[in-house]
Amino acid sequence: GAGVSQSPSNKVTEKGKDVELRCDPISGHTALYWYRQSLGQGLEFLIYFQGNSAPDKSGLPSDRFSAERTGGSVSTLTIQRTQQEDSAVYLCASSAASGPYEQYFGPGTRLTVT
Amino acid sequence: SQQGEEDPQALSIQEGENATMNCSYKTSINNLQWYRQNSGRGLVHLILIRSNEREKHSGRLRVTLDTSKKSSSLLITASRAADTASYFCASLPYSSASKIIFGSGTRLSIRP
Repeated sequence: GAGVSQSPSNKVTEKGKDVELRCDPISGHTALYWYRQSLGQGLEFLIYFQGNSAPDKSGLPSDRFSAERTGGSVSTLTIQRTQQEDSAVYLCASSAASGPYEQYFGPGTRLTVT
Repeated sequence: SQQGEEDPQALSIQEGENATMNCSYKTSINNLQWYRQNSGRGLVHLILIRSNEREKHSGRLRVTLDTSKKSSSLLITASRAADTASYFCASLPYSSASKIIFGSGTRLSIRP
């Protein structure tokens, strides 16, 4: 079956503009995660959705970042008033409802803020 | 910040040699997973070891888990140039519904 997809694959935006990044998880996966990865660095957890529960937003770096998941499937990560430090690869992953919670990653969106 | 710590941060070995990467975590876990990442894109799941297991094999991969030391190691035997990548451990805490915690990663380079 289809894996996790993300769009766009690359996004170049001017400082101060808003951007939306999209993630389509694997069908039937109830858990969805967003991570950020700066060049040569590890994964920085941003937000986690699990079924109908309230999302875990503990990793969002500022109130310029928000995410939603509609209908328990597609998710959109929005960054408002982008800054140069927002430049990174944004990775989305999904996992099934039951253990062992292996995560399946999308190819990522490379965001460049100029 | 990431709870998992990996060492070394970077490792360069000759093709054919074995590569060992270590991971430590802080809380009691349900399982620990290892992932591989090429070229800064999506991660690929390699192997999972449960908290009641001590060793697991998959092809050229061998994973060990020591829950008393809260540590794990990934051994890649007979390394190949294609093994060049970043490797991340990820732990699933008992307290978590399904949110796993990634380590900081080890960058492995295989010299031909």
